[in-house]
Order: sequence, then structure tokens, then C-alpha cells
Amino acid sequence: NAGVTQTPKFRVLKTGQSMTLLCAQDMNHEYMYWYRQDPGMGLRLIHYSVGEGTTAKGEVPDGYNVSRLKKQNFLLGLESAAPSQTSVYFCASSYPWLVSGTYEQYFGPGTRLTVT
Amino acid sequence: ELKVEQNPLFLSMQEGKNYTIYCNYSTTSDRLYWYRQDPGKSLESLFVLLSNGAVKQEGRLMASLDTKARLSTLHITAAVHDLSATYFCAGADSNYQLIWGAGTKLIIKP
Repeated sequence: NAGVTQTPKFRVLKTGQSMTLLCAQDMNHEYMYWYRQDPGMGLRLIHYSVGEGTTAKGEVPDGYNVSRLKKQNFLLGLESAAPSQTSVYFCASSYPWLVSGTYEQYFGPGTRLTVT
Repeated sequence: ELKVEQNPLFLSMQEGKNYTIYCNYSTTSDRLYWYRQDPGKSLESLFVLLSNGAVKQEGRLMASLDTKARLSTLHITAAVHDLSATYFCAGADSNYQLIWGAGTKLIIKP
């Protein structure tokens, strides 16, 4: 099993450009998440999904959109990138809260995005 | 609103020493997580603490949870260089989302 994978690993964008980050998981998890990690801060939740076709906003959703068309994939879009979106983006997945008990999240390797 | 605070944020210690990382949280959280992150890498789950008084140990790391004090600790015994990493704690809020501490960067010197 590959676990959680993310594409691409690195990307440099110019202000105003758009891009999509892809997250894929092969663990049959219902829940998927997108976080950003900035220096000196913990992870902050951008958007999450509790199942195919559903998405919800997290703590810092502005400037991002997401889609969950297939259970195994969760896409994060930046429509018009800004320097403030320079960060490391992590995708994670988990079983549903009541099913897993521990609600443990499994993380992908991250995408390092720089917006100039 | 759940808030999670870790301290210290940075810790430099010698091999062989013991130390503790503290994780305080502001409101009720019925589970507490500890993760490890190596530089430039992803996050790896270390412990999940589900109840008051829970204690889990793996190797030189031991985590505990006191829900009355809203405090979790990660204790390092006889530190070795391989334990150098950033350690995060996270609590679960009422919407089942994880709220993360800022992380403790641990450097263990030979």
C-alpha cells in the first residue's frame, strides 16, 4: 500500500497563477483533509471531506477550493495564488470518528509551494 | 473553542538526559495525539491517548494524559540523537477536527 500520496512535491507559482494539488489514498478512508504548515506554527486545517461528494471549510479556507469526486482522491485548488499562500501543504486521511475509535490521521509527504 | 499550547517550543539537550514536553489544552478534548515530524518530512503518529490517566510508551518515549488538568506530557528517557525531530500534540474539538500545537523542536546533541 502506498498510503497517502501527494502530487506535486514542489511547485513555484507566480502571483495570480492557478494550480491544483492532488491527494490520493489507498486505505479506503472516508475522511480526508488538507492542512497548511507554516514555520513556527502547527498545522491549520484548510478544508476537509467526510465522504465522496462532500466538502467543508476548516480554519483557513479563504483562497482555496476543494473537490472530492472520488473517495480516494481529494483535490486542493488555488485559483489565484498569492505570496501569503507560500507554505507546505499536507493531505491526510482517516476512518470516520465513530468507526476507528482513535480517529488517527495518516499524512502524505507534503507539497512545498512557493508563490513569488 | 479548543486551543492547544506546547512548551517548550525549542529544546536542545544532551544525549542520555531526560526531559518532558508539555501540551496544555483549553477545553474538553476526549483524545490527545502526539506526532513526530523529521525535517522536510511528513508527520508520523506516535501515540493516541483516549482517556484520563492513559499512559503509552514506546522505546524511550512515554506519553500521558490528565484530562482534569487538561495536560498531556511526552517524556523522553535517556535521549539519543535519533529522537531529534519536531513533536506535535493535537486535541480533537467538538467537530472531530484536530487542533494542533505549534510543535516542539527537539535537538539532541551527542
